[in-house]
Amino acid sequence: DTGVSQDPRHKITKRGQNVTFRCDPISEHNRLYWYRQTLGQGPEFLTYFQNEAQLEKSRLLSDRFSAERPKGSFSTLEIQRTEQGDSAMYLCASSQGGQSTGELFFGEGSRLTVL
Amino acid sequence: GQSLEQPSEVTAVEGAIVQINCTYQTSGFYGLSWYQQHDGGAPTFLSYNALDGLEETGRFSSFLSRSDSYGYLLLQELQMKDSASYFCAVSSLSGGYQKVTFGTGTKLQVIP
Repeated sequence: DTGVSQDPRHKITKRGQNVTFRCDPISEHNRLYWYRQTLGQGPEFLTYFQNEAQLEKSRLLSDRFSAERPKGSFSTLEIQRTEQGDSAMYLCASSQGGQSTGELFFGEGSRLTVL
Repeated sequence: GQSLEQPSEVTAVEGAIVQINCTYQTSGFYGLSWYQQHDGGAPTFLSYNALDGLEETGRFSSFLSRSDSYGYLLLQELQMKDSASYFCAVSSLSGGYQKVTFGTGTKLQVIP
């Protein structure tokens, strides 16, 4: 399978705990996006990487959220001191720089439940 | 910033045609995309318009009017499997890169 993969698919945690999600994009894609989606809403932009550089971070993200993409390959999204409001689906998407189709390739997402 | 508006729900009969509209406000507009998402699934790309006019891909067509900041997705010969949420998404140039912002989605229910 050469699609975008995310791990874990589901995570249940207690409030105050830290969680980390991993995304492996399509290998030749240099652009990587993180989105958050809650029930009945569209994906909300969180952050964007071009290769290893984090070019934008949404104002939605508090300082409890951090993302990395070492070596421009896989990416991790960490949430520290989780709150119940962090419960959502965290989606990763990748695309090839320079393409003109606007297509993002999404992973199946990591669903976070904070108790 | 960017904002997109689309209807929250649409119901249509199997075999019929349905149009889902999207209006947007953004700076640095690059193009308009459409995505389909089934319950519990990931969004999947349907179409992209960078220029005015109609793009056709099988039963799905997408239209863009840049001057009106408006687009629509047209689904023909509706099938039960088309029941899903449909999102329009604006690609815009932000800080030198292509940012993709999604609307809140239209839940399509296809009935027999």
